[in-house]
Amino acid sequence: DSGVTQTPKHLITATGQRVTLRCSPRSGDLSVYWYQQSLDQGLQFLIQYYNGEERAKGNILERFSAQQFPDLHSELNLSSLELGDSALYFCASSTNPGTGDEQYFGPGTRLTVT
Amino acid sequence: AQKITQTQPGMFVQEKEAVTLDCTYDTSDPSYGLFWYKQPSSGEMIFLIYQGSYDQQNATEGRYSLNFQKARKSANLVISASQLGDSAMYFCAMRAALGAGGSYIPTFGRGTSLIVHP
Repeated sequence: DSGVTQTPKHLITATGQRVTLRCSPRSGDLSVYWYQQSLDQGLQFLIQYYNGEERAKGNILERFSAQQFPDLHSELNLSSLELGDSALYFCASSTNPGTGDEQYFGPGTRLTVT
Repeated sequence: AQKITQTQPGMFVQEKEAVTLDCTYDTSDPSYGLFWYKQPSSGEMIFLIYQGSYDQQNATEGRYSLNFQKARKSANLVISASQLGDSAMYFCAMRAALGAGGSYIPTFGRGTSLIVHP
């Protein structure tokens, strides 16, 4: 158990809908990362927050947004969902945002868009 | 641009033997970190080992060691004495600073599927 929690574990929704994925980092970790893992794209970095502020941005679509709250939990919002958004979404946390900090991954949320 | 290349989509190894999983990277930043993760069929991502670009010695963690060859830009993972439980996907990853802003973008390879035979 990495100490990172993600809810829900599974999510099935229809195209055009909006969903929110939730992540609680390990106790003491200030940095949260979001990733999308799909068969064709592999593991793609979406966005990083550090202590409530956006720190780095990767291949995140405009239909997606995220935030980190004062209690350090984070939410990833996916809107106008398309079939291609079906993927495993991971949240990871680390103590600091630097190059040397290992990231601890949550169990992931499996999103299926029908 | 940063890039991680894992050229072996699949590898097979006999139990108790050693296996090397290849990883090459590309970055223009002199300060970077290299990571290996394991993803079993259950789906979770498990951190295995870390190597910093300025580290003089190769990293080791139990049966895992990282063969870091900076001039060749390679960071191969060596698993000694393979066990059946080592069967999984293995991902090489890098985190490097992009510029003056100091943001760090993690980049992952496509992974190598390792199967350990009894």
